[in-house]
Amino acid sequence: EVQLVESGGGLVKPGGSLRLSCAASGFTFSNAWMSWVRQAPGKGLEWVGRIKSKTDGGTTDYAAPVKGRFTISRDDSKNTLFLQMNSLKTEDTGVYYCTTVGSGIHDYWGQGTLVTVSS
Amino acid sequence: DIQLTQSPSSLSASVGDRVTITCRASQTISSYLNWYQQKPGKAPKLLIYAASSLQSGVPSRFSGSGSGTDFTLTINSLQPEDFATYYCEQSYSTPLTFGQGTNLEIK
Repeated sequence: EVQLVESGGGLVKPGGSLRLSCAASGFTFSNAWMSWVRQAPGKGLEWVGRIKSKTDGGTTDYAAPVKGRFTISRDDSKNTLFLQMNSLKTEDTGVYYCTTVGSGIHDYWGQGTLVTVSS
Repeated sequence: DIQLTQSPSSLSASVGDRVTITCRASQTISSYLNWYQQKPGKAPKLLIYAASSLQSGVPSRFSGSGSGTDFTLTINSLQPEDFATYYCEQSYSTPLTFGQGTNLEIK
């Protein structure tokens, strides 16, 4: 059974940093493309970015609002996905979901972790 | 960026009804259109991918159609557990984008 468990969310001041983790199990993580999707309180879904598998180059793509501030990385030895978030803004507040990406599709989702950016 | 416009934004229906939600893309996306269901406080769940393919385990009352720029999600014989918010998403090109959502409520 595929399981994705996010952690690392919390309260941070504007301009601060936070690192989210996503522990994966139930599939061959090293072969998977992975993605982060976020949802502001009471709002819709927003794609944050994705990382390809190392065999497909391991490259990353980001949405414009987070490019240059957020970095997605992976540790295939620990089956873990990361999202390093710097220079956080109040508009980054929301629930952050880790997802698997199968043929471009977000097929499995974690339960999400809440990030609150507030002074 | 490719914009997705869902209609309606909200919808009231009764158990047993048939409902249709529409998603229109700002440019052609072939069949790279997916549908998700989200219940309050829960993660989204994939229902339909590639416009019309039913994800494993999803009831057959859900169906999708369309290609190019116009797509529909149809739910036949609504069940109580189907009342939720539905999102379309295009996986044709990055940045991946979602529609604004359709909130399906009980009448």
